[in-house]
Amino acid sequence: SSELTQDPAVSVALGQTVRITCQGDILRIYYASWYQQKPGQAPVLVIYGKNYRPSGIPDRLSGSNSGNTASLTIAGAQAEDEAVYYCNSRDSSGNHYVFGTGTKVTVL
Amino acid sequence: QMQLVESGGGVVQPGGSLRVSCVGSGFMLSTYAVHWVRQAPGKGLEGVAVISYTGSDKYYADSVKGRFTISRDNYKNTVYLQMNSLRVEDTAVYYCARDEYDSSGYYVDVWGQGTTVTVSS
Repeated sequence: SSELTQDPAVSVALGQTVRITCQGDILRIYYASWYQQKPGQAPVLVIYGKNYRPSGIPDRLSGSNSGNTASLTIAGAQAEDEAVYYCNSRDSSGNHYVFGTGTKVTVL
Repeated sequence: QMQLVESGGGVVQPGGSLRVSCVGSGFMLSTYAVHWVRQAPGKGLEGVAVISYTGSDKYYADSVKGRFTISRDNYKNTVYLQMNSLRVEDTAVYYCARDEYDSSGYYVDVWGQGTTVTVSS
């Protein structure tokens, strides 16, 4: 199966740590990457591969992978981290991307 | 600065056609595979179509197969998505996205700002 499942929503207090997970059998084959999307904006790549951040992404965002689960951790959450986060991976054909259902992160 | 810029969105009646374009700048688009990803209002992201850097390989989501055609003109640094037999459920923001592949795996590192397609009578 190429489906990726995420929790719909999570909240975190300002300065605290939150972990978002992404589950799918395809993650046993391909690494997940993570995208942040704020209202009215295009997605932005925040984590890819084992745990790499593009230039400009703060190091309070980190990723990890284990079995069929990928995780994105925000350590010391800031107000600007409030967004929807999507995971994605290649699908079983290896040609397309499949996206997770998205997790809305609210910073309290 | 690396950029992708989409254009061509608009309002079209069910059964109609539309072609959206994606122009790359700040890098050689001709050396990358490109995806079209759409997002219906209030919904998540869906991969629609992908084209290899040469244009020789094309793949489509089942939801658009036989109705949408992806193509590219590497001399113009442009990728197209021709959408025929449009349905109300095709209403979405359409993003083009640059496909990257290295030792870290596959990921999209550059996204366009999106172009809105509305299918309505």
